Amino acid sequence: GAVVSQHPSWVICKSGTSVKIECRSLDFQATTMFWYRQFPKQSLMLMATSNEGSKATYEQGVEKDKFLINHASLTLSTLTVTSAHPEDSSFYICSAPGQGIYEQYFGPGTRLTVT
Amino acid sequence: AQTVTQSQPEMSVQEAETVTLSCTYDTSESDYYLFWYKQPPSRQMILVIRQEAYKQQNATENRFSVNFQKAAKSFSLKISDSQLGDAAMYFCAYRRGFTGNQFYFGTGTSLTVIP
Repeated sequence: GAVVSQHPSWVICKSGTSVKIECRSLDFQATTMFWYRQFPKQSLMLMATSNEGSKATYEQGVEKDKFLINHASLTLSTLTVTSAHPEDSSFYICSAPGQGIYEQYFGPGTRLTVT
Repeated sequence: AQTVTQSQPEMSVQEAETVTLSCTYDTSESDYYLFWYKQPPSRQMILVIRQEAYKQQNATENRFSVNFQKAAKSFSLKISDSQLGDAAMYFCAYRRGFTGNQFYFGTGTSLTVIP
């Protein structure tokens, strides 16, 4: 089946710095990708919809200036956490829809720890 | 955003027995899809089963089946002949039918399988 990868799988950064997370569709094109955030033992919360060639759509309450999303190609979306703080520490998961109406391929996630 | 509720934070089942996980959702839309996803300790999301809202027949996938009650907005998952490998977090998810591919997830149920 289709594969979505994320890089890095785990990143530690210092408070105040920015960190970029990549989400790639490896064997299919994705004009849309989704970014989720998951706190320990909690659900996946949809943060934003990444649209190739246009601005991302953010869910209510998500700071667009804090979580910058770029979808520059049909296989790559990036999430940049700017001026990270310890409360941004979380597990970030991306997903991309497949060709069928049911398929949704999830990346393996990125664990962000801000010290 | 749609609301998906899982009222059982934790469940346990004896190996080979049957367990049912509950899910309710709130929507004003008539066309949508419902899913159950499994998230093992690896954090990789795995699709367990899906149900189209327009179908009255309950979906079944091997040992997994659902009880879809559209009027009650209920979507429970039944796992028969539980296996140790079934131990994981289970998330109920909602996806709009007409627009977008965003998934909205429930709060999750942690399933323990007792040998």
